[in-house]
Amino acid sequence: KAGVTQTPRYLIKTRGQQVTLSCSPISGHRSVSWYQQTPGQGLQFLFEYFSETQRNKGNFPGRFSGRQFSNSRSEMNVSTLELGDSALYLCASSSTGQNSYNEQFFGPGTRLTVL
Amino acid sequence: AQTVTQSQPEMSVQEAETVTLSCTYDTSESDYYLFWYKQPPSRQMILVIRQEAYKQQNATENRFSVNFQKAAKSFSLKISDSQLGDAAMYFCAVNAGGTSYGKLTFGQGTILTVHP
Repeated sequence: KAGVTQTPRYLIKTRGQQVTLSCSPISGHRSVSWYQQTPGQGLQFLFEYFSETQRNKGNFPGRFSGRQFSNSRSEMNVSTLELGDSALYLCASSSTGQNSYNEQFFGPGTRLTVL
Repeated sequence: AQTVTQSQPEMSVQEAETVTLSCTYDTSESDYYLFWYKQPPSRQMILVIRQEAYKQQNATENRFSVNFQKAAKSFSLKISDSQLGDAAMYFCAVNAGGTSYGKLTFGQGTILTVHP
């Protein structure tokens, strides 16, 4: 099976712009989670989607949003970018949403730089 | 809410030796899962090992094993016969029950250096 894929791998944006990141989960996985990784804050949970519904959300401002499509692919959007949004954004998929304990398989990440 | 603490920012080990990485956690849930992930310089997060809280037996995966002390809320990772390819950042994480759908809470990580 192909692993989790994320596009693009690298992005450079300027303050005030918006950005959309994409994540394709492992085939058959219906749960997709997003994380932000920064040197200062470490790995922080953004949100999780299952069957096109957001089931869980971390403590991030409303500028961070996401969605999931019927094929389980997910996108996250960050509007009005700030310098502090520069980070590695990781997507992870899991095989079943009924059991939240399943291990998550991570994509390679998207490196976002905000200038 | 869950918290995970890794008290060792950096560790080093000689090739072929054994090293133990520490992790403590806190959760009010009675049912939860614990994980160790490895993140090499490529930044790809790789699952190393997983432990179900309801299982008393410590999980093992080849050279990797855990020491799970539920009462002490401790979950350490032992790497035996260390190899150069084990060099990476290691993260301890917990996924609790309740409404923690798809949410892993991570520790701050431990950088492991392996010396030849």
